[in-house]
Amino acid sequence: GAGVSQSPSNKVTEKGKDVELRCDPISGHTALYWYRQSLGQGLEFLIYFQGNSAPDKSGLPSDRFSAERTGGSVSTLTIQRTQQEDSAVYLCASSSYLDGYEQYFGPGTRLTVT
Amino acid sequence: AQSVTQLDSQVPVFEEAPVELRCNYSSSVSVYLFWYVQYPNQGLQLLLKYLSGSTLVKGINGFEAEFNKSQTSFHLRKPSVHISDTAEYFCAVSGDSGGSNYKLTFGKGTLLTVNP
Repeated sequence: GAGVSQSPSNKVTEKGKDVELRCDPISGHTALYWYRQSLGQGLEFLIYFQGNSAPDKSGLPSDRFSAERTGGSVSTLTIQRTQQEDSAVYLCASSSYLDGYEQYFGPGTRLTVT
Repeated sequence: AQSVTQLDSQVPVFEEAPVELRCNYSSSVSVYLFWYVQYPNQGLQLLLKYLSGSTLVKGINGFEAEFNKSQTSFHLRKPSVHISDTAEYFCAVSGDSGGSNYKLTFGKGTLLTVNP
């Protein structure tokens, strides 16, 4: 079946602009996670969704970052007033307890802030 | 809180040699342990996982890992590596952080380079 998809695959934006990153999880997966991979910080957890609610937002680095999930499916990560330190690969993963909580990762969105 | 330490940032080996990539973790709750592989310019792929049961876990591509609770370790091994195993390997831990939240905490990664 289809895996986790993310769009766009690459995004170049100017400092100060807003960006939206999209994640389409595997159908039926109720849990959805966003992570960020950067050279300096490695792989970091950002936010967790169970259905449409986000009980854990502890990894969001600042209030410029927000995310939502609608219909228990698609999720959007929004970064407002982007800064150069936001440059990273943003990864989305989904999981189901039926799969032993294994997280299936999408290919990521590479964000470059100039 | 959970943390993962991958003791080697880079491991160079020759083709057909054995390899061990080391991983230690700390956690205040029962853990699930994972090894992921990332090939250049690609996403994360699960190699193997430990959830419960036998402490020796076999994964894809001939890799295996052993969960050692007393040493809080989950080292990854392969008896004979191939050029195609060149990639970055990430050890990760998760546990129930509440509300079915099994967020992953990753190590910094180990770059495995297999030379001919």
